[in-house]
Amino acid sequence: LAKTTQPISMDSYEGQEVNITCSHNNIATNDYITWYQQFPSQGPRFIIQGYKTKVTNEVASLFIPADRKSSTLSLPRVSLSDTAVYYCLVVKADKLIFGTGTRLQVFP
Amino acid sequence: EPEVTQTPSHQVTQMGQEVILRCVPISNHLYFYWYRQILGQKVEFLVSFYNNEISEKSEIFDDQFSVERPDGSNFTLKIRSTKLEDSAMYFCASNSYDRPIANYGYTFGSGTRLTVV
Repeated sequence: LAKTTQPISMDSYEGQEVNITCSHNNIATNDYITWYQQFPSQGPRFIIQGYKTKVTNEVASLFIPADRKSSTLSLPRVSLSDTAVYYCLVVKADKLIFGTGTRLQVFP
Repeated sequence: EPEVTQTPSHQVTQMGQEVILRCVPISNHLYFYWYRQILGQKVEFLVSFYNNEISEKSEIFDDQFSVERPDGSNFTLKIRSTKLEDSAMYFCASNSYDRPIANYGYTFGSGTRLTVV
């Protein structure tokens, strides 16, 4: 399974756009990139998934360059409630392997 | 928005006792999973279940663990003889692959906190 590397923590202010970049140098042809959010004592919550180029849903955007060795999760105009841990995962088949994630702290 | 429901939210049990953690996945989902998270550590995969059988399991999921879908709605995780190191949050998840790719992912429940004393 491809290993992912992402920053341990990030700080932002309310109303700003936050971009969290993840590297996955060993991603395989059939792998997808997916992002989850987790609040303390809660289950992970799916944010977005993609394979290449740009994917957007009602929550976030995901940018994946042509070589697919990295991806960037973009959260528009964050609020205090976006303070959480964000996980980048490379999905092969039917199993999620979580890393330690990026702890995002949003300040007023 | 549909939810995965887990009960109980918190269970305390004595070492050596059997526990059953219960989950009600989203009704039209066909793929079911258990994950666990020891306090302060990563979320770990335990098992995946499809078509009434285990499709994959991790090294953690040894003979002490079993899963069952006893009826059309419940999905259970049984730990036969609990150990102190089984103390963790246990998350159930379900999935369906019939949505646009940008929007399909697991739906996790809010978890059961298992404390073994």
